[in-house]
This record gives sequence, C-alpha cells and structure tokens, in this order.
Amino acid sequence: EVQLVESGGGLVQPGRSLRLSCAASGFSFDEYAMHWVRQAPGKGLEWVSGISWNSGSRGYADSVKGRFTISRDNAKNSLYLQMNSLRPEDTALYYCAKGLGTMIVAAALDYWGQGTLVTVSS
Amino acid sequence: QSVLTQPPSASGTPGQRVTISCSGSSSNIGSNSVYWYQQLPETAPKLLIYRNNQRPSGVPDRFSGSKSGTSASLAISGLRSEDEADYYCATWDDSLSGVVFGGGTKLTVL
Repeated sequence: EVQLVESGGGLVQPGRSLRLSCAASGFSFDEYAMHWVRQAPGKGLEWVSGISWNSGSRGYADSVKGRFTISRDNAKNSLYLQMNSLRPEDTALYYCAKGLGTMIVAAALDYWGQGTLVTVSS
Repeated sequence: QSVLTQPPSASGTPGQRVTISCSGSSSNIGSNSVYWYQQLPETAPKLLIYRNNQRPSGVPDRFSGSKSGTSASLAISGLRSEDEADYYCATWDDSLSGVVFGGGTKLTVL
C-alpha cells in the first residue's frame, strides 16, 4: 500500500524558514517523480514544485521560485521542501504527491499524503 | 485567477448526469493530457481521470473524461450523494513549465 506522510509544518514568522519532509513507502520511490501541492484555507489546489525520479529535473511555481527548493533522497525514500523567506500568503496545507511516471512534465499525481499545515504569521 | 477555468459550482439530483467543464489554452490543455481530481470534504485529493479519459482502478465507470482542443470535460452519470465534492482539472503548461490546476468546481447533490 502506497503511503505518503508529510511532516515539518507549523507556525512560523514571516521571513523565516521551514523544511517539510515526506516519507514514502509501499512503492519504488526512486522510479517516480514527486510533487508538492498546497491548498490555502478555503481555497483551491496550487502546484508548488516537482522533481523527477533522479533529481535531474525540477520545477517551481512562479509564486515560490527563488524561495523554495525541492529535493529528494532516494536512499531514504524521502522528499523535501526547503521554504525560505516565508510570506503570509504561503499559509496552506502542503501535500506531497507521487507522480505517475518518472518525469514532472505531467499533472499526473496518483497518490497524495494527508498534508502538513504551514502557518506564516507574526 | 487560475490558468484553467472551471465553473465554481455545479449541481444535480440523484441519478442525473452532470458535466464539469475546464477551459485552457494552446500551451496547456491544447498540447498536454488533462487530469481530474476529486476532493471529498476534509480529505486529500484523489486522482479520478488520467490522460484525458482513463480511469484508475477502483474509480466507477460513472465517471468519464473527454478533451477537445483547448477544453476538457468531466461527466458524472447516475449521480449519487457520495459524489458531493470539489473537482479539479489539471494539466502541464508548456509556457509556465509547471502543473496548473483549475479553480475547482463544488458539486452539490440536491
């Protein structure tokens, strides 16, 4: 059974940093692209970032480019999102999602975690 | 303002057929596959349709997807109360080099 468990969320002040983690199990982690998608309270889904199976390709939404960095450790079956210079508008539930294939060039997210809440406020 | 345009709401009575539209452009829907997600209240999204019209195992055949040009549609036939959820379309955008979602459609079963 595929499982994705996010962690690392919490309350943080504007301008500070936070690192999210996603522990994956139940599939061959190193064979699939992975993504982060967020959902602000009461709002829709917003893709944040994606990374290919071998970290060779990474993509970011314009809203986070230059501030967030996605990475993965295939040996640890883990996905990460380093979030710097956080803003109040980054407040959201952050989901980790598995891609259907190896590359990020598709909106194919076939399994999702339950999310970790990030609140940016002073 | 989402790159993909969906109606904010849709509704139907049990047993009816409803459709949800998703409009984009040549850089997204026009050149890439469309995916649909169902988000039940207080739960994570679930993949409902992939590659325009394919259903993952376990998704009832009451759900179907189609794509034509720069638009796509999700159809739900034999509407049931448990279909009440938010539905999102998504695709890759070649200009933005990223995944784009529609704003979501809240489906109400009357």
